[in-house]
Amino acid sequence: AQSVTQLGSHVSVSEGALVLLRCNYSSSVPPYLFWYVQYPNQGLQLLLKYTTGATLVKGINGFEAEFKKSETSFHLTKPSAHMSDAAEYFCAVSGWTASKLTFGTGTRLQVTL
Amino acid sequence: DARVTQTPRHKVTEMGQEVTMRCQPILGHNTVFWYRQTMMQGLELLAYFRNRAPLDDSGMPKDRFSAEMPDATLATLKIQPSEPRDSAVYFCASGLVQTGSKEQYFGPGTRLTVT
Repeated sequence: AQSVTQLGSHVSVSEGALVLLRCNYSSSVPPYLFWYVQYPNQGLQLLLKYTTGATLVKGINGFEAEFKKSETSFHLTKPSAHMSDAAEYFCAVSGWTASKLTFGTGTRLQVTL
Repeated sequence: DARVTQTPRHKVTEMGQEVTMRCQPILGHNTVFWYRQTMMQGLELLAYFRNRAPLDDSGMPKDRFSAEMPDATLATLKIQPSEPRDSAVYFCASGLVQTGSKEQYFGPGTRLTVT
């Protein structure tokens, strides 16, 4: 079974500041990990994914995430926040044999001037 | 640019009425998922299909909800009778789910309001 914990339901950063959204997972098998973004009144959009191989994964819009097995974490970062990054972000996990994703509860990112 | 499509985008109905939501998955995808999103409960998985066969519908209230895939290009989610507590955004997602690939692609959602 898999589960995901996203620390902080709301995160606020200034434009140009570092974005750090935290995700910790639990999985009894090697995990597949994902970050999705949801803009207002839209569906979820895949930002990036980790399956195997390189632990630092780059995604769209300048986001990246690092898989740290020892810490069971997959935190999402972006060096410099932009106003257009304001959205809700979801971390998700799946296992090798699973068909479905288990989503976290989401983190709403606010970007201020 | 292949996308998941959902119809209708918005639906307002009265309690007791039947509601049918439709989804066209991305061509070639073998798995279709139905989710419900509310402020209180967040994102909930209702049901999913692999190669049109239902794999898991444990997230769905059985007495009023039903999900089907009449063919590979159409998935439906039906509520009969609808209740105010069913008000939510319903998302369909599809994916080519296999070892090494688990990502899902979401549609824009159907916003349902039951009065």
